[in-house]
Parts: sequence; structure tokens; C-alpha cells
Amino acid sequence: DVKVTQSSRYLVKRTGEKVFLECVQDMDHENMFWYRQDPGLGLRLIYFSYDVKMKEKGDIPEGYSVSREKKERFSLILESASTNQTSMYLCASSLGVTRQGIRSPLHFGNGTRLTVT
Amino acid sequence: GNSVTQMEGPVTLSEEAFLTINCTYTATGYPSLFWYVQYPGEGLQLLLKATKADDKGSNKGFEATYRKETTSFHLEKGSVQVSDSAVYFCALGDSSYKLIFGSGTRLLVRP
Repeated sequence: DVKVTQSSRYLVKRTGEKVFLECVQDMDHENMFWYRQDPGLGLRLIYFSYDVKMKEKGDIPEGYSVSREKKERFSLILESASTNQTSMYLCASSLGVTRQGIRSPLHFGNGTRLTVT
Repeated sequence: GNSVTQMEGPVTLSEEAFLTINCTYTATGYPSLFWYVQYPGEGLQLLLKATKADDKGSNKGFEATYRKETTSFHLEKGSVQVSDSAVYFCALGDSSYKLIFGSGTRLLVRP
């Protein structure tokens, strides 16, 4: 089974702090993703990466950056945390599109619930 | 652009009742379709998938059929259990890297 591990289940940070959320996957997947989940808003894509050192903005990248120095690890960085970034953050990985042109599913970690005070 | 629309919840059922959660999509081409489930305090887990028209995905008693003519992928289960209480997400995978998710439907099953 694919395992996606997020380093923290719960984090509490102060406004203005720099925050790192770490995610590691063990299946050699090319694609990795960061979503945030908020009540009434569903899942919103922040950033994704389709290869080492490659990244693309998702739907809500403002206030965030990412780093992918190794294939298995994808980090989300809040440069200066704000209270409106209090949320559940979900990391996911995927094989991408198979040789048959079929979209592979995403495999999710258990999430990090971040509170910014 | 591509999109997914799910019925709004919460859906409240008694144990052993029949479940349907509606999902319709808008997409060009031939997307893959997925259902995910999220139990309280956890991430999303893949429940089932279908990759082409008329495919039926199934898992743990849940089923969904990819209907291209009605652009639908409704989730069904013949007899729900209390342990099925969760949030269910329909998702679409197109030619881009990401999945497009519906807003989620909360299911509450009472004993």
C-alpha cells in the first residue's frame, strides 16, 4: 500500500511565524500535491509538483511556497503565517497518467491541522 | 472548465437503509472518476474508481457506474452501517495533473 506521511497531526503557530509542513511518500510517485480543506469550501489545491524541483501553482497559492528537493518529499511553507491560514492541510501523491492514458488516483496523508493564533 | 457537482448534505439514514449520493460532472474528453471517503480526523481514502464509460467501480459494498450519457457517477450502497458515517467526495481526473473534487457529502447513519 502507498503510504503518505505528514510529519505533524496538529500544529499551533503564532501570526508572523514561518511554518514548514512536511510530507513524505514511499511509492516513488512523480506527482505530489498540497490541498487545504475548510468547512463549506471543500478541498482547494495550493500547489503541486510533477517532478523533483518542479512546481506549479494551484488555485490558492498566495501566502504559500513549496519545495521539492527529493522525489519522496514535498514541503509546504507558510512564509509568514496569518490567522486565515488556520486550516486542515492535506498532502497527496499520485503516479500521474499511466501509459494507457488513465489518470491514477491520489493517495492522501492523514492531514495536519494547523492553528495560527 | 471541468467541474464536479455533488448533492448537499448531510444525508441522515437509519442502519440498513439504501444509500444514494448523487454526483454529476462536466468535462471534455474521457475523464476518470473517483469516490473518496474521509472518516473523522483522517485524510481522504480512495473508495472506488472507474476509468471509462459503463465501468462499475465497487468496494466495501459501495458501487458507482460511470454514465457518460447522463454525465453521472452516483454512489450507492444497499445497506449502510453506522461505521459508514463519513464525508464522501466525488472527483474527476482529466488530462491535467490534478483531481477536481466535489464539495463533499456528509453521511450520518443512526443505529
